Amino acid sequence: AQSVTQPDIHITVSEGASLELRCNYSYGATPYLFWYVQSPGQGLQLLLKYFSGDTLVQGIKGFEAEFKRSQSSFNLRKPSVHWSDAAEYFCAVGPLAGNEKLTFGTGTRLTIIP
Amino acid sequence: ETGVTQTPRHLVMGMTNKKSLKCEQHLGHNAMYWYKQSAKKPLELMFVYNFKEQTENNSVPSRFSPECPNSSHLFLHLHTLQPEDSALYLCASSQPLQGREQYFGPGTRLTVT
Repeated sequence: AQSVTQPDIHITVSEGASLELRCNYSYGATPYLFWYVQSPGQGLQLLLKYFSGDTLVQGIKGFEAEFKRSQSSFNLRKPSVHWSDAAEYFCAVGPLAGNEKLTFGTGTRLTIIP
Repeated sequence: ETGVTQTPRHLVMGMTNKKSLKCEQHLGHNAMYWYKQSAKKPLELMFVYNFKEQTENNSVPSRFSPECPNSSHLFLHLHTLQPEDSALYLCASSQPLQGREQYFGPGTRLTVT
C-alpha cells in the first residue's frame, strides 16, 4: 500500500529565511509525487510534481523539490520565504495502478514571522 | 469560468434538511473526486468518478449521495446529516492516464446545526 508521511505538523520560519518541508513516501513502483498548498478556506493548489527525469523539480511561487529515491523522500524547498507563503502544505503520491487515487500526507502548517 | 468551481461556497443546514453541493470543471478532464476535509484530520477521499462511472466509494454513509451526469459536473446530495459532517468539502478533477495531478475547487464550507 502506498503512504505519505509529513513528519512536521507545524513549522515557523522568519520572513526571508530558507524553508524545507519534509515528505517521505512508501510506494511499490516509480511514483508520481506532488506538492500542494492550501491557504485558509481555500482549495488545494498544485505547486509542482515529479514523475521522471531530473530529480530537482521547479514549481510555482519559487518552490522546488528534490526526489531522492534512496531516501524515499520528496522534500519541498524555498530559498527565501515571503509572508504570503504562510499556508498548509500537502505532499501526495500516486496513483496505484488501475485507479486514479492519490494518497495525501497530513499536511504541514507553515507560519511566517516578521 | 476557469478551473474547478464549487457552489455554494458556504452552507449552513439543519439535520433534517436536504441540500446539494455542485462542482463544475472547465478543464476537459474525465475524472472527478469528492473529498472531505475536517479540522485536524487528513484529507478523506469520498468518491471517485471516471468517465461518469463511480469507481470508488470510500465507505461513505448513505446520507451522502453523489451524482455525475456528465464529465464536467459533479454533485453531492446531502440529507439528514449529522453535526460531525461539518467540514470543508472539496471537489477535484484530473485526466486519467495523463499527468495524474488533480485540480481542486475552492471548496464548500458546510456547517450542520
